[in-house]
Amino acid sequence: EPEVTQTPSHQVTQMGQEVILHCVPISNHLYFYWYRQILGQKVEFLVSFYNNEISEKSEIFDDQFSVERPDGSNFTLKIRSTKLEDSAMYFCARTLTPENYYNEQFFGPGTRLTVL
Amino acid sequence: GQQLNQSPQSMFIQEGEDVSMNCTSSSIFNTWLWYKQDPGEGPVLLIALYKAGELTSNGRLTAQFGITRKDSFLNISASIPSDVGIYFCAGASGNTPLVFGKGTRLSVIA
Repeated sequence: EPEVTQTPSHQVTQMGQEVILHCVPISNHLYFYWYRQILGQKVEFLVSFYNNEISEKSEIFDDQFSVERPDGSNFTLKIRSTKLEDSAMYFCARTLTPENYYNEQFFGPGTRLTVL
Repeated sequence: GQQLNQSPQSMFIQEGEDVSMNCTSSSIFNTWLWYKQDPGEGPVLLIALYKAGELTSNGRLTAQFGITRKDSFLNISASIPSDVGIYFCAGASGNTPLVFGKGTRLSVIA
């Protein structure tokens, strides 16, 4: 059973279009994370989100990216104007407790984003 | 930024053989995690290590947190076909994001 569910499983979009990726936790957790993995490469941290605020973000997470938790349940990652190099798998992750802030992160199945 | 060197990049082994892979870092980590990723899926947490010198097992998997806090290894004993996949190490220091290695691709020949 997945720790979080992610939708869609695959998103194809045209360059310059906006995309929104969704993450739905199985239960109510405080800490969420977004990672991306370009095909054949390592997993890279994008952003962490705690108590409805961004805790930390990487250099990759520029002004084109945003995250929010609009209804207190879904956790979304928005890419405002997609570029070819945004093509990647995007993973949502969560930790069990505040004490495991950056530890023991459990990943969702991912959304494969393809930018044409 | 922090980088992890993971080796080997890939391995081809016979079913039943033992496997060993490792990660090294120029920085100290407080946490080492090992994940397995199957094609098209998200990483699955295998083992988490929190203390220098700690040795932890999960079935046929054993991982150790290096004494220097700059390295960790993962062993798989008596490999089976379903062990095929990419194994990633990841490290964290305090409240810093996870840093992932580039992965070890394991192939098991029946």
